[in-house]
Amino acid sequence: EAQVTQNPRYLITVTGKKLTVTCSQNMNHEYMSWYRQDPGLGLRQIYYSMNVEVTDKGDVPEGYKVSRKEKRNFPLILESPSPNQTSLYFCASSWDRELNSPLHFGNGTRLTVT
Amino acid sequence: AQSVAQPEDQVNVAEGNPLTVKCTYSVSGNPYLFWYVQYPNRGLQFLLKYITGDNLVKGSYGFEAEFNKSQTSFHLKKPSALVSDSALYFCAVRDRSSGTYKYIFGTGTRLKVLA
Repeated sequence: EAQVTQNPRYLITVTGKKLTVTCSQNMNHEYMSWYRQDPGLGLRQIYYSMNVEVTDKGDVPEGYKVSRKEKRNFPLILESPSPNQTSLYFCASSWDRELNSPLHFGNGTRLTVT
Repeated sequence: AQSVAQPEDQVNVAEGNPLTVKCTYSVSGNPYLFWYVQYPNRGLQFLLKYITGDNLVKGSYGFEAEFNKSQTSFHLKKPSALVSDSALYFCAVRDRSSGTYKYIFGTGTRLKVLA
């Protein structure tokens, strides 16, 4: 089944403790992206990647890192999480970098930072 | 700057009635426009898109949307609402002339279809 898989689904952590949210897609998509969803703000892009070893900042990259060492994986790294990063996170992928094909989303990771 | 506006936080409609979820956008060039739907505890699912061509676009689950360039709008419509259409709907735009490879999403509109 074609899908985007995020893990974990739920994560509770403390301020300053490094964490990684994994994202993997099995559709051989070139484009991958991370978003955070907050009430009243919709989805905001954190980082995106157009291919292996090619990443770029979205609208809210502060406090996050990403890497794209393999085409299928695009982990999101929070080196020192803070409470304002409590949010619902989505990974998404698209088969073409021109983005005239739709995004495929994972089921989300709900992160709570205390 | 690129932006997308969904002016209604919530839309209520009776089952069987037509529904409209509004979206307006602001981009400097020609847009790619999309609608996505989010059900509880799930990621967003693609409904339909406008790239070029006919202004009326048909998508999944009986939804359609009309691209209006002069009004910079891309409203989502369905002739007859179902209770199962109740969900959170997002409009998204990509400015093809911006040189960036990213979407801008609206803030979402919660659709509630009443039985």
